[in-house]
Amino acid sequence: GQQLNQSPQSMFIQEGEDVSMNCTSSSIFNTWLWYKQDPGEGPVLLIALYKAGELTSNGRLTAQFGITRKDSFLNISASIPSDVGIYFCAGQLSSAAGNKLTFGGGTRVLVKP
Amino acid sequence: NAGVTQTPKFQVLKTGQSMTLQCAQDMNHNSMYWYRQDPGMGLRLIYYSASEGTTDKGEVPNGYNVSRLNKREFSLRLESAAPSQTSVYFCASQGQGAGGNYGYTFGSGTRLTVV
Repeated sequence: GQQLNQSPQSMFIQEGEDVSMNCTSSSIFNTWLWYKQDPGEGPVLLIALYKAGELTSNGRLTAQFGITRKDSFLNISASIPSDVGIYFCAGQLSSAAGNKLTFGGGTRVLVKP
Repeated sequence: NAGVTQTPKFQVLKTGQSMTLQCAQDMNHNSMYWYRQDPGMGLRLIYYSASEGTTDKGEVPNGYNVSRLNKREFSLRLESAAPSQTSVYFCASQGQGAGGNYGYTFGSGTRLTVV
């Protein structure tokens, strides 16, 4: 089946730093989504991308839908402590069978000690 | 608040026991999904229901059954729990939000341990 490779698996941030993570796929998607999960909670949608090449921002977050439709990246600018959590990319390929999402393995964002 | 409600939040089962995880959404969404989350593996789709009255297998359906009771409710059943089913289970629903957003709304999860 489809697989999403998300990197890095984890990263340490210092307040004020910019961070970046990305996802690549062996297959194309029609939609790319980025989610954030806080401890003990379900993932929450951050950004949705619907067109190849699309660049979308949501506050300090910026994400792009790769031109090949097989990749996406998420940037967080000027990170703050509450950015800590797990970030997931997800690809969606709509079909008559439904709009299932395939998730990457997640990027765990931690604060530098 | 509107959203996806899962019960129970925590559960410990003995191997071989059965249980049903409940999920309900009040957003009038057509599609509902069950995922499991294991460390380092992201979320994997167990079963989904594209609309009321239909259910389909996802990536990891073995050992599970589902019921789409009505438009609001989608339950996941473990007939004979195994330690490999220890995981965090998330229910999600999907609809079209503001600006054409097709993202999922997730519940807060059920943490299941099978001993």
